[in-house]
Amino acid sequence: NAGVTQTPKFRILKIGQSMTLQCAQDMNHNYMYWYRQDPGMGLKLIYYSVGAGITDKGEVPNGYNVSRSTTEDFPLRLELAAPSQTSVYFCASSPMGLEMINEQFFGPGTRLTVL
Amino acid sequence: AQSVTQLGSHVSVSEGALVLLRCNYSSSVPPYLFWYVQYPNQGLQLLLKYTSAATLVKGINGFEAEFKKSETSFHLTKPSAHMSDAAEYFCAVSPGGLISNFGNEKLTFGTGTRLTIIP
Repeated sequence: NAGVTQTPKFRILKIGQSMTLQCAQDMNHNYMYWYRQDPGMGLKLIYYSVGAGITDKGEVPNGYNVSRSTTEDFPLRLELAAPSQTSVYFCASSPMGLEMINEQFFGPGTRLTVL
Repeated sequence: AQSVTQLGSHVSVSEGALVLLRCNYSSSVPPYLFWYVQYPNQGLQLLLKYTSAATLVKGINGFEAEFKKSETSFHLTKPSAHMSDAAEYFCAVSPGGLISNFGNEKLTFGTGTRLTIIP
Protein backbone atom coordinates (compact mmCIF):
# COMPACT_ATOMS: atom_id res chain seq x y z
CA ASN A 1 0.00 0.00 0.00
CA ALA A 2 1.20 3.49 -0.82
CA GLY A 3 -0.82 4.92 2.09
CA VAL A 4 -1.68 8.61 1.72
CA THR A 5 -0.06 10.35 -1.23
CA GLN A 6 0.03 14.08 -1.96
CA THR A 7 1.03 16.01 -5.05
CA PRO A 8 2.80 18.26 -5.67
CA LYS A 9 5.51 18.27 -2.99
CA PHE A 10 6.34 21.94 -3.55
CA ARG A 11 4.63 24.77 -5.36
CA ILE A 12 5.10 28.51 -5.73
CA LEU A 13 2.03 30.53 -6.70
CA LYS A 14 1.54 34.15 -7.55
CA ILE A 15 -1.10 36.16 -5.72
CA GLY A 16 -4.49 35.58 -7.33
CA GLN A 17 -3.61 32.28 -8.99
CA SER A 18 -5.55 29.11 -8.29
CA MET A 19 -4.44 25.53 -7.85
CA THR A 20 -5.55 22.13 -6.64
CA LEU A 21 -3.64 20.08 -4.12
CA GLN A 22 -4.15 16.40 -4.75
CA CYS A 23 -4.60 13.76 -2.07
CA ALA A 24 -5.25 10.05 -2.52
CA GLN A 25 -5.33 7.05 -0.19
CA ASP A 26 -5.43 3.36 -1.00
CA MET A 27 -6.49 2.05 2.42
CA ASN A 28 -10.27 2.31 1.81
CA HIS A 29 -10.59 4.79 4.67
CA ASN A 30 -13.91 6.58 4.88
CA TYR A 31 -12.70 9.71 6.70
CA MET A 32 -10.28 12.19 5.12
CA TYR A 33 -8.85 15.52 6.26
CA TRP A 34 -6.94 18.57 5.13
CA TYR A 35 -4.76 20.48 7.57
CA ARG A 36 -2.40 23.38 7.30
CA GLN A 37 0.67 23.69 9.49
CA ASP A 38 2.29 27.03 10.23
CA PRO A 39 5.45 27.36 12.38
CA GLY A 40 4.66 27.15 16.08
CA MET A 41 0.91 26.90 15.44
CA GLY A 42 0.37 23.17 15.29
CA LEU A 43 -2.18 21.77 12.86
CA LYS A 44 -5.33 23.59 11.85
CA LEU A 45 -8.18 21.69 10.20
CA ILE A 46 -9.34 23.18 6.90
CA TYR A 47 -11.96 20.68 5.69
CA TYR A 48 -12.85 17.08 6.31
CA SER A 49 -15.00 14.37 4.79
CA VAL A 50 -16.72 11.40 6.40
CA GLY A 51 -17.35 9.64 3.10
CA ALA A 52 -17.77 10.12 -0.62
CA GLY A 53 -20.08 13.04 -1.33
CA ILE A 54 -19.96 14.40 2.24
CA THR A 55 -17.68 17.26 3.29
CA ASP A 56 -17.67 19.76 6.14
CA LYS A 57 -15.75 22.83 7.20
CA GLY A 58 -13.03 22.73 9.79
CA GLU A 59 -11.44 25.54 11.75
CA VAL A 60 -9.99 27.58 8.85
CA PRO A 61 -11.99 26.95 5.64
CA ASN A 62 -11.96 30.45 4.13
CA GLY A 63 -10.20 30.60 0.75
CA TYR A 64 -10.41 26.85 0.19
CA ASN A 65 -12.82 24.35 -1.34
CA VAL A 66 -12.99 20.57 -1.40
CA SER A 67 -14.87 17.79 -3.09
CA ARG A 68 -15.05 14.04 -2.45
CA SER A 69 -16.40 12.17 -5.43
CA THR A 70 -14.63 8.90 -4.59
CA THR A 71 -13.46 7.16 -1.41
CA GLU A 72 -9.84 7.40 -2.57
CA ASP A 73 -9.48 11.07 -3.55
CA PHE A 74 -9.91 14.31 -1.63
CA PRO A 75 -8.55 17.32 -3.55
CA LEU A 76 -8.18 20.75 -1.98
CA ARG A 77 -8.78 23.77 -4.19
CA LEU A 78 -7.23 27.17 -3.53
CA GLU A 79 -9.01 30.01 -5.27
CA LEU A 80 -7.34 33.42 -5.60
CA ALA A 81 -4.19 32.55 -3.66
CA ALA A 82 -3.08 35.00 -0.98
CA PRO A 83 0.23 35.27 0.94
CA SER A 84 -1.64 34.16 4.08
CA GLN A 85 -2.06 30.75 2.44
CA THR A 86 1.68 30.16 2.46
CA SER A 87 1.94 27.03 4.57
CA VAL A 88 2.56 23.31 4.60
CA TYR A 89 -0.57 21.34 3.79
CA PHE A 90 -1.18 17.82 5.05
CA CYS A 91 -3.82 15.36 3.99
CA ALA A 92 -4.81 12.54 6.34
CA SER A 93 -7.21 9.62 6.37
CA SER A 94 -8.79 7.51 9.10
CA PRO A 95 -10.61 4.17 9.05
CA MET A 96 -12.96 5.15 11.92
CA GLY A 97 -14.38 1.75 12.76
CA LEU A 98 -17.21 0.92 15.15
CA GLU A 99 -15.19 2.02 18.20
CA MET A 100 -14.78 5.49 16.68
CA ILE A 101 -11.01 5.56 17.20
CA ASN A 102 -9.84 8.38 14.97
CA GLU A 103 -6.34 7.13 14.20
CA GLN A 104 -5.20 9.31 11.35
CA PHE A 105 -2.63 8.45 8.70
CA PHE A 106 -0.83 11.41 7.18
CA GLY A 107 0.61 12.15 3.78
CA PRO A 108 4.07 13.70 3.32
CA GLY A 109 2.75 17.22 2.82
CA THR A 110 2.74 19.94 0.17
CA ARG A 111 4.84 23.05 0.82
CA LEU A 112 3.09 26.04 -0.78
CA THR A 113 4.49 29.53 -1.12
CA VAL A 114 2.36 32.42 -2.38
CA LEU A 115 4.31 35.46 -3.58
CA ALA B 1 -15.41 20.25 23.67
CA GLN B 2 -11.90 18.87 23.94
CA SER B 3 -8.54 20.58 24.17
CA VAL B 4 -4.93 19.67 24.83
CA THR B 5 -2.09 21.70 26.26
CA GLN B 6 1.50 20.76 25.65
CA LEU B 7 3.78 22.34 28.22
CA GLY B 8 7.06 23.42 26.69
CA SER B 9 7.30 24.21 23.00
CA HIS B 10 10.96 23.20 23.08
CA VAL B 11 12.61 20.49 25.16
CA SER B 12 16.30 19.56 25.11
CA VAL B 13 17.74 16.42 26.66
CA SER B 14 21.12 14.76 26.53
CA GLU B 15 21.59 11.55 24.62
CA GLY B 16 20.83 8.67 27.00
CA ALA B 17 18.75 10.81 29.37
CA LEU B 18 15.07 10.46 30.15
CA VAL B 19 12.64 12.06 27.73
CA LEU B 20 9.48 13.56 29.25
CA LEU B 21 7.02 15.47 27.08
CA ARG B 22 3.96 16.80 28.83
CA CYS B 23 0.36 16.77 27.64
CA ASN B 24 -2.70 17.78 29.63
CA TYR B 25 -6.17 17.40 28.22
CA SER B 26 -9.61 18.77 28.84
CA SER B 27 -12.64 16.70 27.93
CA SER B 28 -16.24 16.51 29.09
CA VAL B 29 -16.33 12.77 28.36
CA PRO B 30 -13.70 10.03 28.74
CA PRO B 31 -11.27 10.72 25.93
CA TYR B 32 -9.21 8.91 23.41
CA LEU B 33 -5.65 10.29 23.39
CA PHE B 34 -2.88 10.09 20.81
CA TRP B 35 0.78 11.00 20.44
CA TYR B 36 2.17 11.70 16.99
CA VAL B 37 5.76 12.34 15.89
CA GLN B 38 6.85 14.49 12.97
CA TYR B 39 10.38 14.18 11.64
CA PRO B 40 11.77 17.09 9.59
CA ASN B 41 10.03 17.56 6.26
CA GLN B 42 7.69 14.62 6.82
CA GLY B 43 4.08 14.02 7.75
CA LEU B 44 2.88 12.97 11.20
CA GLN B 45 3.22 9.36 12.30
CA LEU B 46 1.31 7.72 15.15
CA LEU B 47 3.50 6.85 18.16
CA LEU B 48 0.82 5.45 20.43
CA LYS B 49 -2.81 5.79 21.45
CA TYR B 50 -4.97 5.42 24.55
CA THR B 51 -8.45 4.03 23.96
CA SER B 52 -9.65 3.29 27.51
CA ALA B 53 -7.99 -0.10 27.91
CA ALA B 54 -4.67 -0.20 29.80
CA THR B 55 -3.66 3.16 31.26
CA LEU B 56 0.03 2.56 30.45
CA VAL B 57 0.39 2.49 26.69
CA LYS B 58 3.50 1.35 24.87
CA GLY B 59 4.28 2.67 21.43
CA ILE B 60 6.93 2.49 18.77
CA ASN B 61 10.61 3.38 19.19
CA GLY B 62 10.58 2.72 22.95
CA PHE B 63 8.08 5.44 23.85
CA GLU B 64 5.26 5.01 26.33
CA ALA B 65 2.59 7.18 27.90
CA GLU B 66 0.43 6.88 30.98
CA PHE B 67 -3.18 8.05 31.15
CA LYS B 68 -3.84 9.68 34.53
CA LYS B 69 -7.47 10.68 34.88
CA SER B 70 -6.96 12.43 38.23
CA GLU B 71 -4.31 14.68 36.70
CA THR B 72 -5.94 14.90 33.23
CA SER B 73 -2.53 14.07 31.81
CA PHE B 74 -1.06 11.84 29.13
CA HIS B 75 2.68 12.49 29.30
CA LEU B 76 5.06 10.83 26.85
CA THR B 77 8.26 9.23 28.14
CA LYS B 78 11.28 7.32 26.92
CA PRO B 79 13.91 6.05 29.37
CA SER B 80 16.95 6.79 27.20
CA ALA B 81 17.01 9.39 24.44
CA HIS B 82 18.59 8.63 21.10
CA MET B 83 19.75 11.11 18.50
CA SER B 84 17.11 9.76 16.13
CA ASP B 85 14.37 10.93 18.54
CA ALA B 86 14.92 14.55 17.53
CA ALA B 87 11.56 15.60 16.07
CA GLU B 88 8.36 17.46 16.85
CA TYR B 89 5.78 15.67 18.96
CA PHE B 90 2.05 16.34 18.99
CA CYS B 91 -0.56 15.27 21.51
CA ALA B 92 -4.15 14.93 20.28
CA VAL B 93 -7.56 14.17 21.81
CA SER B 94 -11.01 13.07 20.69
CA PRO B 95 -14.11 12.00 22.61
CA GLY B 96 -14.05 8.34 23.58
CA GLY B 97 -16.37 6.46 21.23
CA LEU B 98 -17.77 4.21 23.95
CA ILE B 99 -19.58 7.15 25.53
CA SER B 100 -20.37 9.43 22.64
CA ASN B 101 -20.37 9.12 18.88
CA PHE B 102 -20.37 12.87 18.47
CA GLY B 103 -17.19 14.79 17.90
CA ASN B 104 -15.02 11.77 17.10
CA GLU B 105 -14.80 12.82 13.48
CA LYS B 106 -12.19 15.41 14.44
CA LEU B 107 -8.98 15.30 16.43
CA THR B 108 -7.88 18.29 18.48
CA PHE B 109 -4.10 18.69 18.32
CA GLY B 110 -1.76 20.46 20.69
CA THR B 111 0.69 23.03 19.36
CA GLY B 112 3.59 20.60 19.50
CA THR B 113 6.87 20.16 21.38
CA ARG B 114 10.15 20.22 19.52
CA LEU B 115 12.59 17.72 21.05
CA THR B 116 16.30 18.35 20.63
CA ILE B 117 18.87 15.71 21.62
CA ILE B 118 22.23 16.96 22.84
CA PRO B 119 25.15 14.65 21.94
